Amino acid sequence: TQLLEQSPQFLSIQEGENLTVYCNSSSVFSSLQWYRQEPGEGPVLLVTVVTGGEVKKLKRLTFQFGDARKDSSLHITAAQPGDTGLYLCAGDSGGYQKVTFGTGTKLQVIP
Amino acid sequence: NAGVTQTPKFRILKIGQSMTLQCTQDMNHNYMYWYRQDPGMGLKLIYYSVGAGITDKGEVPNGYNVSRSTTEDFPLRLELAAPSQTSVYFCASRQGLPNDNEQFFGPGTRLTVL
Repeated sequence: TQLLEQSPQFLSIQEGENLTVYCNSSSVFSSLQWYRQEPGEGPVLLVTVVTGGEVKKLKRLTFQFGDARKDSSLHITAAQPGDTGLYLCAGDSGGYQKVTFGTGTKLQVIP
Repeated sequence: NAGVTQTPKFRILKIGQSMTLQCTQDMNHNYMYWYRQDPGMGLKLIYYSVGAGITDKGEVPNGYNVSRSTTEDFPLRLELAAPSQTSVYFCASRQGLPNDNEQFFGPGTRLTVL
């Protein structure tokens, strides 16, 4: 069974601070996705990274895929209350069938 | 397009009761999934389907059954509900093409078993 461990599990910060969320595994993935989930809703895709070492930016969010394609990070610059939510990474092993979801990082940004 | 729809939104069951969680997608996606999410946690795969008539077990299939008679519908059946099945259930779909792995999620069904 492939496991994706996310850290930290919980994070409460003040508006304007920076933060990094990590997603680690001992398994290699062909791609990795990051989702954000708001209370009472299903997860929504933020980004997919495919190439080892790849960096993608989405406004104040920066996503990086590890060189060995076993880990990923999400960095948020100048966090805003609208960034509050549960962040989930999901690894795709390439079988087009199922992905493995991480344990989740619950972020609270205090105004 | 409505995307992925789930019914009901909330349900309370007594131990031993049965129910079916409905899921429908109108995007003509090949792949569909059922997940459960416990409070503050990630998603655990219950069952998935790669097309009509084809289903397979995920990580936590015990106590559940599924069917996929059409591309659009993927109902999840709970037989003999137990308190351990109290959770939020999400249905998702995915096109299934190479390099197109985005999953689209429904709004979830919150189930409590007392």
